[in-house]
Amino acid sequence: GENVEQHPSTLSVQEGDSAVIKCTYSDSASNYFPWYKQELGKGPQLIIDIRSNVGEKKDQRIAVTLNKTAKHFSLHITETQPEDSAVYFCAVEGSQGNLIFGKGTKLSVKP
Amino acid sequence: KAGVTQTPRYLIKTRGQQVTLSCSPISGHRSVSWYQQTPGQGLQFLFEYFSETQRNKGNFPGRFSGRQFSNSRSEMNVSTLELGDSALYLCASHQFADTQYFGPGTRLTVL
Repeated sequence: GENVEQHPSTLSVQEGDSAVIKCTYSDSASNYFPWYKQELGKGPQLIIDIRSNVGEKKDQRIAVTLNKTAKHFSLHITETQPEDSAVYFCAVEGSQGNLIFGKGTKLSVKP
Repeated sequence: KAGVTQTPRYLIKTRGQQVTLSCSPISGHRSVSWYQQTPGQGLQFLFEYFSETQRNKGNFPGRFSGRQFSNSRSEMNVSTLELGDSALYLCASHQFADTQYFGPGTRLTVL
């Protein structure tokens, strides 16, 4: 079945630095790639998503890039702030329409 | 628009009991998906309902079941609870096949 690998599992950066999280997937038929942010005690919150007909998408300090040939996509957060500290999950739409998630990256932004 | 609501937020049960969790999707959304989140397995797809019909199902035993009502509200039931069923159960609301919005989850603890 579809498999999603996410790296790194933990990431610590200084406030103002950039953070990059990478995911690879196995099913070349996948066409939808969302990213979620989960804060303690809350459900995952959609922060950005990208579809296979687009290579890059930006929303203020957040960007996602997609390389369908290599089957990987990345989340880029620039000018990180303490409130960016959370667990980030990448996901891929599976053949059934469900989301298949990576194991998550715990991002810590030090002031 | 109100977001996805899940009740109850916390539950404590003992082994062998059964439990019912509830999810109210975003107004206008007709699809509800359920996921189980544990530290070891991460986020895993349980099942999806659309217009009162189960459309997809993940790889969970038959003790896990669900249903959807005509107002799109959904319930999931777990019978004969096991210790390993302790998890955060998340409901996602979606209008189309891909963009899913999560509720805060129900934290189930099985003793």
